Amino acid sequence: AQKITQTQPGMFVQEKEAVTLDCTYDTSDPSYGLFWYKQPSSGEMIFLIYQGSYDQQNATEGRYSLNFQKARKSANLVISASQLGDSAMYFCAMSDYTGTASKLTFGTGTRLQVTL
Amino acid sequence: DTEVTQTPKHLVMGMTNKKSLKCEQHMGHRAMYWYKQKAKKPPELMFVYSYEKLSINESVPSRFSPECPNSSLLNLHLHALQPEDSALYLCASSPRLAGGSYEQYFGPGTRLTVT
Repeated sequence: AQKITQTQPGMFVQEKEAVTLDCTYDTSDPSYGLFWYKQPSSGEMIFLIYQGSYDQQNATEGRYSLNFQKARKSANLVISASQLGDSAMYFCAMSDYTGTASKLTFGTGTRLQVTL
Repeated sequence: DTEVTQTPKHLVMGMTNKKSLKCEQHMGHRAMYWYKQKAKKPPELMFVYSYEKLSINESVPSRFSPECPNSSLLNLHLHALQPEDSALYLCASSPRLAGGSYEQYFGPGTRLTVT
């Protein structure tokens, strides 16, 4: 069974600073995908970034980068130059590759507060 | 257009009511999902449809009945719900079902309150 662990229930960061949100995972599958989603208070889950288990390079999308350390089974999200609009809940998720279906397993989330 | 729409945004229903949640996407995605999210918890998968056929039912009680009338539309029919079913119900779609790099696009959700 897959498991995602996010150990930081809440984080604070000052505007314009960088912040790292931690995510570790556990799976016996050699092939998997890791995702980060942002959920503002409005409720919508916004896709941020994806990392495949066979990808050699760390994924980047604008101000978001994923620090993928396969041996440590970690997939931390780095947000550079934080903005007030980054305040939200952030979920790390892993996809389960089965023959007939793809399921996302989510971590418990980290609430990020960006301050002035 | 990477939009998934859900209606209604809010729904209050009694335990004897019958209501439906609607989800629509026009991205040509062939996989659609229903999730339930309780406050301060991660989303939990309920159902997965692939090519309009039910692919996964995560042991959801029968008072929740999904329906996929066509490739763009996903409904969730609700009947005889309990107060503990109050939650945010999220719909998502993805370009294909099996395999990983295809992220799921989520709608804004329906906040359901059962009284």
